[in-house]
Amino acid sequence: SAVISQKPSRDICQRGTSLTIQCQVDSQVTMMFWYRQQPGQSLTLIATANQGSEATYESGFVIDKFPISRPNLTFSTLTVSNMSPEDSSIYLCSGRSGYEQYFGPGTRLTVT
Amino acid sequence: AQSVAQPEDQVNVAEGNPLTVKCTYSVSGNPYLFWYVQYPNRGLQFLLKYITGDNLVKGSYGFEAEFNKSQTSFHLKKPSALVSDSALYFCAVRDVSNDYKLSFGAGTTVTVRA
Repeated sequence: SAVISQKPSRDICQRGTSLTIQCQVDSQVTMMFWYRQQPGQSLTLIATANQGSEATYESGFVIDKFPISRPNLTFSTLTVSNMSPEDSSIYLCSGRSGYEQYFGPGTRLTVT
Repeated sequence: AQSVAQPEDQVNVAEGNPLTVKCTYSVSGNPYLFWYVQYPNRGLQFLLKYITGDNLVKGSYGFEAEFNKSQTSFHLKKPSALVSDSALYFCAVRDVSNDYKLSFGAGTTVTVRA
C-alpha cells in the first residue's frame, strides 16, 4: 500500500491570497488526483494530476483557479488561487496503484 | 454515467450487534467497487474492494462486503460492531466508461453505542 502525506495539514488564509498544498507519496503511483470535501460530506474530484503535463480538470474546475503540478511519480502540488470563503474546504490528495486508490490525510482550509 | 447511492445517512447500532451499511451502484460496464472509512479529522482509509471473483469480499478490521450483480448492490457488513467502528463510510465505484475515475456515494455515518 502507499502512504500519502500532505502539507500543510490546515491553514487559515485571507481572501484574495493563494495557498499551495503539497502531496508526497512514499512509493510510485500511476495516477494522482486532487479532491475537495466539505466536512462530513462526499468527495468531489477536482482534477487528475498528470506527470510532466497539464492536469485534467473536471467540470466546474479550471486551471487558473486550481493550478496543479506533478513533476514526478511521487509528488504533486495543488494551488488554490485568489481564495474566497467559498473555497473553505478539505482538500485531499490521492494516488492510485493497480486497482487500489489511497488518500492523504487532507488539508483543512479556512478562508476569512 | 456511473453513480453510487448510499440510502442511509446514518446507521445506529449497539456494540456487539451486526452492522450493515448499504450501497447500490449504476455503471454501464463491469464495476470495480470499494469501501472506505473516514475517522474524524482523518483521510480516507481503504477497507476492501471487489474487482472480480467471489461475491463475498473480506477486508480490514473484520469488515466484509457482498457483491450482488442482480441487485446492483455492494453492502458492507460486520458481524459484531465495536464502538471504535463509529465513523463515516463511503462506497465508491470505478467504471471503464468513465476513464476509471472513482465516484463516491454521499456517505453513511455509523454510530455504535456501548
